[in-house]
Formats: sequence, structure tokens, C-alpha cells
Amino acid sequence: DTEVTQTPKHLVMGMTNKKSLKCEQHMGHRAMYWYKQKAKKPPELMFVYSYEKLSINESVPSRFSPECPNSSLLNLHLHALQPEDSALYLCASSQEGLLMSYNEQFFGPGTRLTVL
Amino acid sequence: TQLLEQSPQFLSIQEGENLTVYCNSSSVFSSLQWYRQEPGEGPVLLVTVVTGGEVKKLKRLTFQFGDARKDSSLHITAAQPGDTGLYLCAGMNRDDKIIFGKGTRLHILP
Repeated sequence: DTEVTQTPKHLVMGMTNKKSLKCEQHMGHRAMYWYKQKAKKPPELMFVYSYEKLSINESVPSRFSPECPNSSLLNLHLHALQPEDSALYLCASSQEGLLMSYNEQFFGPGTRLTVL
Repeated sequence: TQLLEQSPQFLSIQEGENLTVYCNSSSVFSSLQWYRQEPGEGPVLLVTVVTGGEVKKLKRLTFQFGDARKDSSLHITAAQPGDTGLYLCAGMNRDDKIIFGKGTRLHILP
């Protein structure tokens, strides 16, 4: 299995809602990532988990809360989002943790999030 | 700050033409990756270049890593409409953070 899966594919939520995005990989990768991508822009790194521990938080607002229940799963919990948080949220994984410079990432298809 | 500059930002050419896009930095990278992303989808890894001067071919796509490992190029021969997409280069900087270039948006006209 060489796939990163993400659910849901689309999500519409209000500013008072609580929702979660899910990501799963079964490639044995030990690093997992959340990115945010606005239209016509490159992906922006949000969080990195390496060996199930949060390694990088790129100063992301606390209304985004990541969770890594095990080495195959990565969640992003959303609460009290703003309309400007609407974007494509991408999950990725790579074989080793951050210390490996040969850092090929495999991306999921993304969750298209709309905040009303 | 280590940056990856991609050029051109946009490119629209006829099917069958050749093209080259560039990824440049003033800093050395231990490796660079090239991705292609289609609208509404995640980026798909095309290739990783590691050694200075390395050339890798993927069908009609030729990737080159500069001798000093500060730049890379992607050459497409006989472009086809299926090559349309956003081409992103990415590398790991000195702070062990993955950075992406802003991408080249390629449109191949049939």
C-alpha cells in the first residue's frame, strides 16, 4: 500500500463547529505532516510529527490541534475556525524522521475545507 | 533564510513544444524534490536529485541538479496536455525544515 488517504474529501463548517480531519498511511513511514494550501499558492507547512511526537509547529493558531494516535494515523482537530482558514489541507508522510535529508514526501489528496 | 525561487511562474505553450523550468537558490541543498500537482489534488512526487550534476530521466521529463547543488531544472520534451499542472520544487534547509518554491504553473494547449 503506497497511498496516503485523507477523509473527508470536502468539509463545510461554521465558525462555532468542531470537526476533525483524518489522515492514514500504511507505508511504515515515521514522519507525518499537515500542510495548508490556499488557491494558486504552494503548500505551507503547519505541523510535523516524527516518531509520533510533535516536532514542528509553525506558529499555527491554537484553533488547529494536531494529534498522532499511532504511527499510521494523523488527525487535525478544528475548532472556532475563521473564514480565512478555508483552504486545501494536505497530509503527507515520509519514510524517516526529520534528520534524514533525503526527505521524499508522499501526499494525500487533501481535504477541501470551507468555513462559513 | 534559504529560499527556492522558481521560474517562470506561469507558462502556456502548444502541445509538442519543449520547455524548461527552473528552481534556484543561493543556498546548498542536500537534495531537492520535484512534484506535480493537479487542481484539487495533492502533490505527486516526480523525482529526487541528490548528487551535484545528477541527471534523471522520467519518460519525456529530464531533471538536473546543479553541480553546486543550489539549483535544479526540469526539461519537458514534446509537451502534452497531460503535463498541465503546478510544478513544485522542494528541499530541506539547514534548520531541517522542508521548504517549497512557489511553483511553476504549466498549461499545455492542445
